[in-house]
Amino acid sequence: DAGITQSPRHKVTETGTPVTLRCHQTENHRYMYWYRQDPGHGLRLIHYSYGVKDTDKGEVSDGYSVSRSKTEDFLLTLESATSSQTSVYFCAISERSEYGYTFGSGTRLTVV
Amino acid sequence: SQQGEEDPQALSIQEGENATMNCSYKTSINNLQWYRQNSGRGLVHLILIRSNEREKHSGRLRVTLDTSKKSSSLLITASRAADTASYFCAREMDSSYKLIFGSGTRLLVRP
Repeated sequence: DAGITQSPRHKVTETGTPVTLRCHQTENHRYMYWYRQDPGHGLRLIHYSYGVKDTDKGEVSDGYSVSRSKTEDFLLTLESATSSQTSVYFCAISERSEYGYTFGSGTRLTVV
Repeated sequence: SQQGEEDPQALSIQEGENATMNCSYKTSINNLQWYRQNSGRGLVHLILIRSNEREKHSGRLRVTLDTSKKSSSLLITASRAADTASYFCAREMDSSYKLIFGSGTRLLVRP
């Protein structure tokens, strides 16, 4: 989607390795979010940010950490990947308007 | 779980028919939003309805909200094959600016 990009788009990693996913926006939106999507569970919030260096946990934050050192970038890190973290990860941005959230195209992560 | 329920989980209709999807939730909300997701893509925002609104329209979309019953519905009129997608409701429950999503309804519009 315009204004928000996720990288990488696909990644296969081994159990126990660290993984970092990147979300980059050019919209200067204050709020950024990381969700994971699994069959039967819809989207579940992992972490979110309401400003530079301001982050908070979502409903499924165990095993994940985030950092936001500048407005445009929000990083999601799996410190030691596990098979249960195999999922599709979506980043979203928001400026609290009638336009809701804008989502990235997702990162498909497979932990083997 | 903070996630509500969406029904049906799957819906198959003929092109030209109307499609109705329902969303129920458990706690009070600031607003409720509907999103569409095409296969393998990110979600796209369709419409937002605030807790003090009862109905909202956008093109072929009509959303209703009943806060007393804690439920919302999305109506797509005169459906097209291109409407085939998954549809999710999402609730903003407090001032923390987080959205909580339901598990979605898969809509198939047969040409």
